[in-house]
Amino acid sequence: DAKTTQPNSMESNEEEPVHLPCNHSTISGTDYIHWYRQLPSQGPEYVIHGLTSNVNNRMASLAIAEDRKSSTLILHRATLRDAAVYYCILRDSGGSQGNLIFGKGTKLSVKP
Amino acid sequence: NAGVMQNPRHLVRRRGQEARLRCSPMKGHSHVYWYRQLPEEGLKFMVYLQKENIIDESGMPKERFSAEFPKEGPSILRIQQVVRGDSAAYFCASSPIGPGQGGGYSEQYFGPGTRLTVT
Repeated sequence: DAKTTQPNSMESNEEEPVHLPCNHSTISGTDYIHWYRQLPSQGPEYVIHGLTSNVNNRMASLAIAEDRKSSTLILHRATLRDAAVYYCILRDSGGSQGNLIFGKGTKLSVKP
Repeated sequence: NAGVMQNPRHLVRRRGQEARLRCSPMKGHSHVYWYRQLPEEGLKFMVYLQKENIIDESGMPKERFSAEFPKEGPSILRIQQVVRGDSAAYFCASSPIGPGQGGGYSEQYFGPGTRLTVT
């Protein structure tokens, strides 16, 4: 899987939008962009994924740059429960590797 | 549909003992992955199994660690002769499809983890 780069940490205020960036300049045409998050003392949970077009679900939105070299996870209204480590992960749709490769992620703090 | 279940949630072992960690995947999922998270570190892949087969064990330490996913029952991660460095959180994940089946598209569902402490 190609490498991703994320800021180590970010802060947000409660009920404000949060934009979590991810750079993946060596992404290939068959790589999907996945986001997971890990709340304190819990297992990771899937957030969202996309290939080329922007994606929305009940948890978040994913904005993908036109050249696909970067993407942004958007939490529209941060809550205290959104405080977690967020991981941006690339997965080759046609590859044989099954596992997720976690980097250090971005630790999001949410202030009341 | 119950999520991925892991037990025990907490396990304490003395050095030299054996640790057995169990993982029941989500119903209908036949692909299981084990990850380890050392204190203050990220998750590292250990092994990927399908029913009765080890598909990828490239992340498993060469000695003392083994994994299985029998036809019936949960997946088991077994650590023999535990040492203090084995203290970590062990997470299991499952997915309905694997790589090569559009696996880049499929998300993985994680369990709550087993926290192993070796004294």
